[in-house]
Amino acid sequence: GAGVSQSPSNKVTEKGKDVELRCDPISGHTALYWYRQSLGQGLEFLIYFQGNSAPDKSGLPSDRFSAERTGGSVSTLTIQRTQQEDSAVYLCASSLAGGAGELFFGEGSRLTVL
Amino acid sequence: GNSVTQMEGPVTLSEEAFLTINCTYTATGYPSLFWYVQYPGEGLQLLLKATKADDKGSNKGFEATYRKETTSFHLEKGSVQVSDSAVYFCALRRSNNDMRFGAGTRLTVKP
Repeated sequence: GAGVSQSPSNKVTEKGKDVELRCDPISGHTALYWYRQSLGQGLEFLIYFQGNSAPDKSGLPSDRFSAERTGGSVSTLTIQRTQQEDSAVYLCASSLAGGAGELFFGEGSRLTVL
Repeated sequence: GNSVTQMEGPVTLSEEAFLTINCTYTATGYPSLFWYVQYPGEGLQLLLKATKADDKGSNKGFEATYRKETTSFHLEKGSVQVSDSAVYFCALRRSNNDMRFGAGTRLTVKP
């Protein structure tokens, strides 16, 4: 499709397990972002990739969180040793290179940690 | 740092009422300003934007004016509909940076 694609749409896991969330940005968008939206809360910035530059990881809440972007396209957000407070909707967005234009969001991956 | 503060919700209005959702920002330089909307069960989508001072963004009857002197970008609509019930997010983005969002304001419009 033409939009940002995220998978899985829903993930239920047990505390202590690792999870991977995938994002496929819009073709041609070199900037990619991960945000977290907890129940009833706003959007918390996690990480930002821009082209081949080093990612801005300033929003990652702990060293259990990491993200990669392979080949400048698909990104994977990994959460190790999940905790119940990690339960949230993880949103991915992409945008054109540079500038201050709009972000295009995926539908999100809802993570529930039991 | 760059941040956005928007009025807390929830906001409940009757159909055809006037809507204002306040948004103020703190930023260095000259950011672009946005309003995003999240309808129930859906992802975030852009509602409107403004890229420089005094610009007015508009869409679907909603408007917001980029006010540099008051660092504000308040969202307004003259006559809301039930279908406008959603969560509204104010956001800013500086060039080549990530986008920063406000906490969101939940709007419920009753018939």
